[in-house]
Amino acid sequence: DAMVIQNPRYQVTQFGKPVTLSCSQTLNHNVMYWYQQKSSQAPKLLFHYYDKDFNNEADTPDNFQSRRPNTSFCFLDIRSPGLGDAAMYLCATSSRGAGYRNTQYFGPGTRLTVL
Amino acid sequence: DQQVKQNSPSLSVQEGRISILNCDYTNSMFDYFLWYKKYPAEGPTFLISISSIKDKNEDGRFTVFLNKSAKHLSLHIVPSQPGDSAVYFCAASGGGGSQGNLIFGKGTKLSVKP
Repeated sequence: DAMVIQNPRYQVTQFGKPVTLSCSQTLNHNVMYWYQQKSSQAPKLLFHYYDKDFNNEADTPDNFQSRRPNTSFCFLDIRSPGLGDAAMYLCATSSRGAGYRNTQYFGPGTRLTVL
Repeated sequence: DQQVKQNSPSLSVQEGRISILNCDYTNSMFDYFLWYKKYPAEGPTFLISISSIKDKNEDGRFTVFLNKSAKHLSLHIVPSQPGDSAVYFCAASGGGGSQGNLIFGKGTKLSVKP
């Protein structure tokens, strides 16, 4: 089955210790997104890749970076995690066609804990 | 300021009855709306969508209604089943420069009781 896969499902890191979350997809979609979701809140878009073009949201902290080495993989790097970065991180993909009415498909998420 | 609002954090419904989840939006440029369902410890799953040229879209037990003049949409689930218990997110996209990005509401937790 075509899908969006996130690894690991649960990640524990120490305050200030860099961490990388990974996302892969077998849907061959050209757009990949990273969201942060905290308890009882709406998913918040951090950035997205349209093919190789990186698009950062204006309020995404510099502490968050992303890499997309190929169509299938996308990584979220948190350079110096703070306690406030503990959240669920969701990866999503879409096949952006004309008119931008695209449906996004989500992975299962990575729950990040910062100690 | 929230552009997509789900004003009911939770909803409880008896099995077999209708569940109605509501969503309001403020940006008149939105032209595509989606509903996602999310179980605990899982990612959101796409349920159903509607474009602004329609006022209703139906898929099995799920129907989405769009009222553009009121900037309101709703998701109807008939009949409700215990497996429908989850958090439901409304999302919207559209408008110049939006690049098709989705704006999500905070979600409504639906509990369907046997």
